Formats: sequence, C-alpha cells, structure tokens
Amino acid sequence: SQQGEEDPQALSIQEGENATMNCSYKTSINNLQWYRQNSGRGLVHLILIRSNEREKHSGRLRVTLDTSKKSSSLLITASRAADTASYFCATANTGGFKTIFGAGTRLFVKA
Amino acid sequence: DARVTQTPRHKVTEMGQEVTMRCQPILGHNTVFWYRQTMMQGLELLAYFRNRAPLDDSGMPKDRFSAEMPDATLATLKIQPSEPRDSAVYFCASGPTLQMNTEAFFGQGTRLTVV
Repeated sequence: SQQGEEDPQALSIQEGENATMNCSYKTSINNLQWYRQNSGRGLVHLILIRSNEREKHSGRLRVTLDTSKKSSSLLITASRAADTASYFCATANTGGFKTIFGAGTRLFVKA
Repeated sequence: DARVTQTPRHKVTEMGQEVTMRCQPILGHNTVFWYRQTMMQGLELLAYFRNRAPLDDSGMPKDRFSAEMPDATLATLKIQPSEPRDSAVYFCASGPTLQMNTEAFFGQGTRLTVV
C-alpha cells in the first residue's frame, strides 16, 4: 500500500504561475523526498526534507513539512514549460531505508 | 558520471516465459531498491537490499518473483513464469548505505510487456 498520497492528481497552469502540490502520509517518517519523472523516464530526486525540518528551499522549489499533520507541500515558483512532468513524494521509514512513493501529481505547464 | 544502469531497457515476452532484469547500482551504493510502476498502481516497492541482504521483499509476489544480489555490482529481478499482469516498468534505484537521509538514484527502467 502506498504511504504518500499527492493532491491534486493533475494540475494545469500557465507558464510563470506558481504550482503547489501536496502530499499526505500515514506513519512516522525519517524523511520525505520529492521526485520528478518526465514521461517515459526514470525518477529524478528534487529535494529531501528531514523529519525535524519544517521548510527547505532549492532554486525555484520550496518544500514544507508538517509532521503533526503528516503532510508536505512542494511549491514550484515561476513555472516553466520544462517543468511539465509528474511529481512524486516519497517517505522513508524511521529506519531510513524503506522508501514508499505516492501516486503522483501530473503537472502541465502551458507556454 | 555515476548512474544506475538497468538492462534490458525493453522486453517483450510471451506468457509463461522467464524474465530476468538486471541492475548495476552506483559504485559504493549498498542499498538497492526494486520498484514496479503501472498506471493503475503507481510506484510499488517490490524489494530492497542493504549490503546485498534482502531487508524487505513483502511487496513482491513470492510465488513467481525473486530478487537477488549475487555481488555488490549486480542486482537481479526474475519473474518465472511471467503473466500479462506483470507488464509494467520496473525500476531499480540505489543509495549510499551509511547515510540514511539521502535520496535514491533511479535507473531508466525496464519496460516489460508480457503477451
């Protein structure tokens, strides 16, 4: 069974707008990660946030983590057409190794 | 340029045949994951290894699937006999052993079609 569940399932925005994706999970975690997958390709790691962190930035990406609500959000600012992809959250258990993925959010950025 | 290498990239086989998928993790990475991705189920964790020992293979159908790491440079996932419902993209990923708070590095996947 999947640990993380992303919301929304699909998102369509105009280039330049911000995109926000949410992830909820069920059990205690060691860390939460966001990945990106272009159509037909493997997954690429974007950012990792530890369970004792609340916010993290990387370029145009901002991730928040609320362990009390068991939720995380990924914000992509000033989106570009090249950001079109599926985005997955993944959680690692307290041992840190078992990484479970959510169903993903399909983001489409219109030029 | 360190990367996880999976072979073959594509495999079409007939139902009942044995399928072997191979993965070469990044040198020095001792944690290896196998995932299966389908439209219906998304990314499912099948099994993962640490230092070549299976830590968890509860996501894998035991009757037909088997995963091994014959050595530190090779992980294999076998399906015998294969069935049409096994059609999916199978991903291997690896990560460093000593650092738990690190990402997994994914291969490009093996797209399996069982007809």
